[in-house]
Amino acid sequence: EDKVVQSPLSLVVHEGDTVTLNCSYEVTNFRSLLWYKQEKKAPTFLFMLTSSGIEKKSGRLSSILDKKELFSILNITATQTGDSAVYLCAGSPQGAQKLVFGQGTRLTINP
Amino acid sequence: KAGVTQTPRYLIKTRGQQVTLSCSPISGHRSVSWYQQTPGQGLQFLFEYFSETQRNKGNFPGRFSGRQFSNSRSEMNVSTLELGDSALYLCASSPDGLAGNNEQFFGPGTRLTVL
Repeated sequence: EDKVVQSPLSLVVHEGDTVTLNCSYEVTNFRSLLWYKQEKKAPTFLFMLTSSGIEKKSGRLSSILDKKELFSILNITATQTGDSAVYLCAGSPQGAQKLVFGQGTRLTINP
Repeated sequence: KAGVTQTPRYLIKTRGQQVTLSCSPISGHRSVSWYQQTPGQGLQFLFEYFSETQRNKGNFPGRFSGRQFSNSRSEMNVSTLELGDSALYLCASSPDGLAGNNEQFFGPGTRLTVL
């Protein structure tokens, strides 16, 4: 059965810190790994990763995929209180439009 | 472009009733997926529709069903509601998950409470 595991489940840091969120996956016929940010309701799309070793960046956020070790990390530098959210990681298999989600990491940024 | 819209946003039903939720995808998107989100189980895939056909299905009982219309709008139906069906139901749209990229964009969700 396909599985995605995120760690830590919860993280509290101070504004300005750098955080690294982890995601390991076991997805049959893996195609891509996606990261989402969920604040109140709808998860908002952050990154989609399909190739190993190629970092994707968007402002203070970056992510990379390791297809050999079956994991991905999401980095957030110079954190702000607005980064407080649940960060979700999801794996997607080939030939199927479905996402297998991890439990999420609840990130809290204290001022 | 307008985002994914879902109606209603909140719904309260009693056990045994049935419910229909609606989702309008981003204009031009042809794939619509449905997910159930609960505190205990997280986000779980229900099913996906493309060109009015169910293309993928998750591990949910037959009480959960859906359909897609020719304009790509989708509905999901839950019959004989149980207390455990209380959840946030999220709809996501994608241009075409198999042929190209499969980024999915989520709607705001429908919060269903079963009493």
